[in-house]
Amino acid sequence: GAVVSQHPSWVICKSGTSVKIECRSLDFQATTMFWYRQFPKQSLMLMATSNEGSKATYEQGVEKDKFLINHASLTLSTLTVTSAHPEDSSFYICSAREIGQERRTEAFFGQGTRLTVV
Amino acid sequence: AQSVAQPEDQVNVAEGNPLTVKCTYSVSGNPYLFWYVQYPNRGLQFLLKYITGDNLVKGSYGFEAEFNKSQTSFHLKKPSALVSDSALYFCAVREQSGGSYIPTFGRGTSLIVHP
Repeated sequence: GAVVSQHPSWVICKSGTSVKIECRSLDFQATTMFWYRQFPKQSLMLMATSNEGSKATYEQGVEKDKFLINHASLTLSTLTVTSAHPEDSSFYICSAREIGQERRTEAFFGQGTRLTVV
Repeated sequence: AQSVAQPEDQVNVAEGNPLTVKCTYSVSGNPYLFWYVQYPNRGLQFLLKYITGDNLVKGSYGFEAEFNKSQTSFHLKKPSALVSDSALYFCAVREQSGGSYIPTFGRGTSLIVHP
């Protein structure tokens, strides 16, 4: 149980274009999903908390207009990197929390998306 | 506030030898502690957790970790390392009560097991 799937696994896009990354909870419903960014040889940086049916909560320093998050259903959250630039190249990982299991201790992660902007 | 320190960027060990990956933490109250493993270009996989009870926690792939409250540590161990254990390991902490239930991760330790 508690499988989280991300798509795509990797994507290459041209500078100035937008890229959408999907995060799905496959066998449970998630009221909350988390989006992380990971730089090479560094830890995970929490970007935002995505709440189903409401606006995402962004961490300090994260541009909400650049990283658009939509959590339209209990099984899907999307992260759109708008007007991507080479400095947006990174590894993006999502994590989902099951309804009614908010106190559940461990988090479950998607497999990540490698974004390269050329 | 909660924080995690992984003092080693990299740990090298020979296959068959025991391994230890260090982690210390800081929380206001009692902690939940976790270890995750990440293989290249993959997400994090849950290895084990400490919630309460026995200080020695056993997890996946033969890994275990020992919770030491006085030293605020939660070191990851394995009696006999495999080459396939080579990966990036993250320690995480979360306060047991209150807050947003979002864990804080350490910077990660790269484990390299030599044949």
